[in-house]
Parts: sequence; C-alpha cells; structure tokens
Amino acid sequence: KAGVTQTPRYLIKTRGQQVTLSCSPISGHRSVSWYQQTPGQGLQFLFEYFSETQRNKGNFPGRFSGRQFSNSRSEMNVSTLELGDSALYLCASSPRALQETQYFGPGTRLLVL
Amino acid sequence: SQQGEEDPQALSIQEGENATMNCSYKTSINNLQWYRQNSGRGLVHLILIRSNEREKHSGRLRVTLDTSKKSSSLLITASRAADTASYFCATDGSGANSKLTFGKGITLSVRP
Repeated sequence: KAGVTQTPRYLIKTRGQQVTLSCSPISGHRSVSWYQQTPGQGLQFLFEYFSETQRNKGNFPGRFSGRQFSNSRSEMNVSTLELGDSALYLCASSPRALQETQYFGPGTRLLVL
Repeated sequence: SQQGEEDPQALSIQEGENATMNCSYKTSINNLQWYRQNSGRGLVHLILIRSNEREKHSGRLRVTLDTSKKSSSLLITASRAADTASYFCATDGSGANSKLTFGKGITLSVRP
C-alpha cells in the first residue's frame, strides 16, 4: 500500500496570506489527524477527522481549520498567516482512531516571511 | 503543558550499547506509543503498549509501562548508528475529545 502523502512538501508565504495543505491517507484509513511541529513547542495536535467530521480538536485558534472529503483525503487551511505559524505540518492516518498506530506523512514545511 | 515528558532530552552512546529513554505523563491513558523521527521528517511508529500491559517487545525494542507511576521506558538494545534519531512518546487521553499528545522528544546519537 502507498504511504501517507502530503503536498506540497515546502511552502513559503508572507504574513497575512492563507495556505492550504493536502493529505492523502493510506487506502482504507478513515481517521486523519494533523500536527504542528516547531522547535519551541514540539509536536502539537491540531485536529482529527473521521468520516468527513471533525472528531477531536487541539488548542489552536480558529485560523486553523480543516476538512475531510468522502475519499478520506484531508486538507488543512491556515488563514491570516503569522510568523509563528512557520513549522513542519504533519498529517497521520489510521484505520479508525487516534488510539491506534498512526502512520505519518513526510510533512509540509511552511515558512512564513 | 505536554502530556508526555521524555528524559533525558539528549543521549549520546557508542554503537553496541543499550539506550534507555523515559517518558512520564499526567493523566489516564488508553495507550502509550513510541515514535522515531529522523532529521525533521515524518514520524515512524515503533511500538504501542496498552494501559493493561506492562511490557512489550519488538525486535531490539523493549517498552515498559507503569500506570501507577504514569511512566514508560523504551530500551533499545545493541544500538546502531542508524538508530540516531529523535524519539517521542505519545499518549491518548481517555474520554471525550481525546487527542494524541506528544512529548518534546529525546535526541539519541549513536557514535560508530
């Protein structure tokens, strides 16, 4: 089976812009979760989607949003970018839930100037 | 604050030696997982231990879980240069709005 894929791999944006990141889970996986990784805060959970519904949410402002499509592919959107949003954004998938082994994609590295 | 906290923050050992990494957490969990990350890339799952298990093995990896102390340890035996990476423990909370919470990670360097 193909692994989790994320596009784009690298992105440079300026403050105030918005960005959309994409994640394609492993075939058959219905749970998709997103994480932000920074040197200062480490790995932080953003949200989890299952069957097109947000099931769990971390402590991030409303500028961070996501959605999941009927084929389980997921997108994450960040509006009004801030310098502090520069990070590695990781997506993970699993068959059903966060309590299972998570399979991570390679990540999207976002730089906000 | 992070649910999982690993220690030490960094560990440097010689190839062939064993590496022990510890993780402590604060609230009740369903499972505890360990992941490895090489140079800012995606995480790779190593092992999952359930709250009703005390010890689990996978190849050169041995994980223990002590729910009374809210702690876990990861032992890598006979380390190799390829084990050089960052290691994270992750816990999932029980109840509604559970999320996977990672510690800040341990940087392991294995010298050839």
